[in-house]
Amino acid sequence: GAVVSQHPSRVICKSGTSVKIECRSLDFQATTMFWYRQFPKQSLMLMATSNEGSKATYEQGVEKDKFLINHASLTLSTLTVTSAHPEDSSFYICSAASLSYEQYFGPGTRLTVT
Amino acid sequence: KNQVEQSPQSLIILEGKNCTLQCNYTVSPFSNLRWYKQDTGRGPVSLTIMTFSENTKSNGRYTATLDADTKQSSLHITASQLSDSASYICVVSASWDLNRDDKIIFGKGTRLHILP
Repeated sequence: GAVVSQHPSRVICKSGTSVKIECRSLDFQATTMFWYRQFPKQSLMLMATSNEGSKATYEQGVEKDKFLINHASLTLSTLTVTSAHPEDSSFYICSAASLSYEQYFGPGTRLTVT
Repeated sequence: KNQVEQSPQSLIILEGKNCTLQCNYTVSPFSNLRWYKQDTGRGPVSLTIMTFSENTKSNGRYTATLDADTKQSSLHITASQLSDSASYICVVSASWDLNRDDKIIFGKGTRLHILP
């Protein structure tokens, strides 16, 4: 089956620094990638949708200047959390959609900002 | 190895009928289990979230059960509607601390088709 990887799986950073998270579709071309955030005991929250080669579409309430998304190729999308703060600590999960629109989830990245 | 397995992989039923989807997990330490509904091309929508101490939770026509001893969960859909056609994903979180998720494991989902 389709595989989506994320790197790193967990990261700890200091407040004020930036962190980049990679999402790769390993065996298929992903025309669309989604980025989610999940806080403990809460459901997945869609942050943004990105299509290869175009700007990401952000959900209401998500700061596009803080969460930079780049979808440079059909197999790679990156999320950069800029000037991270402790409240940004969360699980960040990506999913990739193939041409058949099936979505495959990555394993997630646990971000802890100290 | 932490795993979440869902069955069946796909299911076709007639409108108005009931159905039950299964989720078996081997996740430790167990923190919580979520069921999501995902329409094609859309992000998943949360249906239920259950912790260790909860064995049933309802959301409208959706009822989820959890047996922490056998590590099984089911999602029962009553009086199915055409709009229930979607993928249903079981997601299990692992953590020693109930206030945080250390690992999140996704099932591959069950694709449900409702026929008129």
